[in-house]
Amino acid sequence: GAGVSQTPSNKVTEKGKYVELRCDPISGHTALYWYRQSLGQGPEFLIYFQGTGAADDSGLPNDRFFAVRPEGSVSTLKIQRTERGDSAVYLCASSPRTSGRNNEQFFGPGTRLTVL
Amino acid sequence: AQKITQTQPGMFVQEKEAVTLDCTYDTSDPSYGLFWYKQPSSGEMIFLIYQGSYDQQNATEGRYSLNFQKARKSANLVISASQLGDSAMYFCAMREGRRGGNMLTFGGGTRLMVKP
Repeated sequence: GAGVSQTPSNKVTEKGKYVELRCDPISGHTALYWYRQSLGQGPEFLIYFQGTGAADDSGLPNDRFFAVRPEGSVSTLKIQRTERGDSAVYLCASSPRTSGRNNEQFFGPGTRLTVL
Repeated sequence: AQKITQTQPGMFVQEKEAVTLDCTYDTSDPSYGLFWYKQPSSGEMIFLIYQGSYDQQNATEGRYSLNFQKARKSANLVISASQLGDSAMYFCAMREGRRGGNMLTFGGGTRLMVKP
């Protein structure tokens, strides 16, 4: 079956611009996660959704970052007034549930964001 | 304090030999899960193996096994019979119990290079 997909795969923008990154999770997965991976580092948690609601947004670095999941499936990560420090790979993951013994998260290929 | 520590930035291993990638963790939550992911140069995170904090036996998945030493708070990944395709970044991650939410906390990763 289809895995997690993310679009675009690459995004180059200028400082101060607005960007949207899209994540299409595995069908039927109720939980969706966003992570950010800077060069040479491990992914860092940003936000996760259970259904349509953001269950935990404690990882969002500031109020320039926002994410939505209006119908409980596709999610969009929105970054306003981008800064050069926002350059990173943004990873999306989904899982069938948020509880349970082995709550494996399935990751997408990521969107590489470059802010010039 | 770092929640997940991977002390080996890079490792070499000869093809067909076994290799151990180190991971130590820090949590006060009695219920947690430990994950290992592989990230090849393509960028996608691939789930390898999971160990629950209450599991009595070390997890195994094919050529992957997890050397879980709870008292030492270590969860080392052992790859047996290394293959050239094992060359990649490897990340250890932890999900803490309900109080910690459902996100994964990742270590900084270890780059494994398999020599022919």
